Amino acid sequence: DAGVTQSPTHLIKTRGQQVTLRCSPKSGHDTVSWYQQALGQGPQFIFQYYEEEERQRGNFPDRFSGHQFPNYSSELNVNALLLGDSALYLCASSTTGSNQPQHFGDGTRLSIL
Amino acid sequence: QQQVKQSPQSLIVQKGGISIINCAYENTAFDYFPWYQQFPGKGPALLIAIRPDVSEKKEGRFTISFNKSAKQFSLHIMDSQPGDSATYFCAASIISGFQKLVFGTGTRLLVSP
Repeated sequence: DAGVTQSPTHLIKTRGQQVTLRCSPKSGHDTVSWYQQALGQGPQFIFQYYEEEERQRGNFPDRFSGHQFPNYSSELNVNALLLGDSALYLCASSTTGSNQPQHFGDGTRLSIL
Repeated sequence: QQQVKQSPQSLIVQKGGISIINCAYENTAFDYFPWYQQFPGKGPALLIAIRPDVSEKKEGRFTISFNKSAKQFSLHIMDSQPGDSATYFCAASIISGFQKLVFGTGTRLLVSP
């Protein structure tokens, strides 16, 4: 049973560029959340997708956007990249309902030059 | 009010000793408190979680102690082993709020042989 898979593993971009990160949830999960983890910090919630719609959003600018597909996989898009966007981007999946734990992927390490 | 404060930032424990990590929160609406373990290059993995209706939960060598009145909770790792060396994150969420996780800043644990 595959867990949460993310691609690519590493990515290097320059300021001003745009990036798309991808996530496949754990089998049976229908909800995908995205988190940003800066070096030496805890993950920060970006947004959550369920039934192909953004259900909740953290304190991130509109440069961060996402999408969920009918097969529950998801993409995170970041436009106009800034140096401060350098971080580990984590995807977590879960099933909708109370008390359902989130399972994390190993993340995409994004470096902005 | 959305913050979760975690201490210590780093911890060194002898093999066989007890590791203790503490967290405090402000938002009394939080009703789910998980602990995650993260190894370098990996995503966070759920260790153990507690709801505020119990004061303690034990799973193997890992125990969560919860003090609702003080708005504090802690992780105890009994008989700590070198393989436990990792970064530990406490988190909190509101289950009815789609489980948006608010993470602490992390504790780097080193268990010396």
